[in-house]
This record gives sequence, structure tokens and C-alpha cells, in this order.
Amino acid sequence: GQQVMQIPQYQHVQEGEDFTTYCNSSTTLSNIQWYKQRPGGHPVFLIQLVKSGEVKKQKRLTFQFGEAKKNSSLHITATQTTDVGTYFCAGRAGGYNKLIFGAGTRLAVHP
Amino acid sequence: EAQVTQNPRYLITVTGKKLTVTCSQNMNHEYMSWYRQDPGLGLRQIYYSMNVEVTDKGDVPEGYKVSRKEKRNFPLILESPSPNQTSLYFCASTAGSTDTQYFGPGTRLTVL
Repeated sequence: GQQVMQIPQYQHVQEGEDFTTYCNSSTTLSNIQWYKQRPGGHPVFLIQLVKSGEVKKQKRLTFQFGEAKKNSSLHITATQTTDVGTYFCAGRAGGYNKLIFGAGTRLAVHP
Repeated sequence: EAQVTQNPRYLITVTGKKLTVTCSQNMNHEYMSWYRQDPGLGLRQIYYSMNVEVTDKGDVPEGYKVSRKEKRNFPLILESPSPNQTSLYFCASTAGSTDTQYFGPGTRLTVL
């Protein structure tokens, strides 16, 4: 079945350093979404990418969707302590029904 | 305020005692889902519903039931809970126009 692999599982950075998490799918995706979950909280939708090679920015966050629509990345420039949490990608392969989540990357930011 | 609510937020129960976790959304969304979250496994979809009276299995449906009699409510039913269903459960509803998924606050279930 469809799988979405996400790496790294955990990343520990100093405040001000950059951070990147990567997602790879075993199948071509129709779109990919990214979520952030703060400790003790619920996932919060960040963005959706649909087009091959798409790049979107939200302030210090840059999201990319690969040309083959099988991989994606989230890059945070100059991390802040407010960036702490777990970032999940979620891919949809054809149809509207199933959204497959990656296992998440837990980001710790030390001041 | 647009939101997804779940109840209860925390539940400790014993094996075999039927329970229901309620989920309600006030955004008039057609699509709703239930997920379970376990360490290292991310979020796995249990069931989803594309509209009233339309439900389908996700990736891990065994041991769960759902119903969708009204658009706003999507309860999750565990007829005979077992310890392997101890988990954090999230309900979510999706805005069809933007595909944005809104999650509820979660229900932490422990089955002894």
C-alpha cells in the first residue's frame, strides 16, 4: 500500500539555525499537506502543495513539492523557540478519500 | 468560532466495555475523519465519511465503528475495547473548497 516516509524522526537545533524535514512517497501524489503539532496539542494545517515543482513560502517556512510529485520538504530558516513541535507531511494519492501521514519530525529548539 | 469538538478528552476504561467518543463540527463540512496517533507511527486514518450516511474504512478500521446520521456529528464507537486501542484519537473535518483539514483537540483513551 501507499507509504509516506519522513526523515529525520527527531532534530535538535540551536535557536537561529536552519531546519529541514523531508517526505518521500512510494507512489505519485496528487497533493501533499503539511501540519504542525505543538506538544500536547492537535495537528494544525500549514499548507497544501498541488503542482509539480511547486514552492510556497510562509514567512520563515519554505515548502517544496518535487517534480515527480513523490517527495516534499519543509525548510525553516533561522529557527525560533516558537517553532518547537512535530511537523507532519500527509500525502494524497488519487481520489479525495485517503490522506496518508508521515511519522513526523519532532523539532527541539534550544535558546 | 469555527471548531471541531471531541468528548471526552480523557477516558480510562476496561477491556470489553463499550464506549463512544463524540465529534462535532460547526463548519458545515461534508468530509470528516477519525485518526489515531501512536508514538513513531504518526496519524493513521481509522474511518472517514464523505457525507451523511456515507462512511468508509481507512487504514486501521478493525475494532471500530462509526456513524454519520447528521452532517455535524461523527461519533467513533468501540464495541469491545482492547488494550491495543489505547491511543490518542483525533477527529477532523475538511473544508471541501480548500482541502484544509481541521482537527479536534484529541481524546486520550486508555484501555486496561
